[in-house]
Amino acid sequence: RKEVEQDPGPFNVPEGATVAFNCTYSNSASQSFFWYRQDCRKEPKLLMSVYSSGNEDGRFTAQLNRASQYISLLIRDSKLSDSATYLCVVIPSGGSYIPTFGRGTSLIVHP
Amino acid sequence: DAGVIQSPRHEVTEMGQEVTLRCKPISGHDYLFWYRQTMMRGLELLIYFNNNVPIDDSGMPEDRFSAKMPNASFSTLKIQPSEPRDSAVYFCASSSLTSGGDWVDTQYFGPGTRLTVL
Repeated sequence: RKEVEQDPGPFNVPEGATVAFNCTYSNSASQSFFWYRQDCRKEPKLLMSVYSSGNEDGRFTAQLNRASQYISLLIRDSKLSDSATYLCVVIPSGGSYIPTFGRGTSLIVHP
Repeated sequence: DAGVIQSPRHEVTEMGQEVTLRCKPISGHDYLFWYRQTMMRGLELLIYFNNNVPIDDSGMPEDRFSAKMPNASFSTLKIQPSEPRDSAVYFCASSSLTSGGDWVDTQYFGPGTRLTVL
């Protein structure tokens, strides 16, 4: 089983739609979780951290489910500019800082 | 803030040639990471440094790859000799500990070097 798995998509949604992505991780000792966004031919950029209690930033909501070992990203009222690849990142505890990136989920928002 | 700086942005070379990629991390960041991204394998961590010291290089594919960080503001990733399968985008990222010092904060990526080996 891969350490961090994501559905590659693409998720093809109309403007205004709500879309959700999940990311599963295999290391139960994982400590920190993030969502990054990567535009075509650009570098990954931090979208938001994922906190245990869940967190929201505007149209974006991130949640963590430790029992089932997955994190999720919900995007409400999708915009054309949300089209990108969304990468989840998992960082283990225990002092060895080796972040593991998922392969990413591609989102295409169309008019 | 200038962000993470990488050079060159594009590199086209022939098989067997030496390639050197350069990175300047964000000032004050004491962690530096080198990644490689391909369509087939996604984003892979090659090596990371803490305070200029290599901590984990288990992701370096083979002896043809080497990385150095002679000071806090500069790092290089060298491939010698290069092969066509090394063609990828190479990203450098930097980070630092959180204000509480308990774990490493988010990473900031450079724009990447797109390497093509013919």
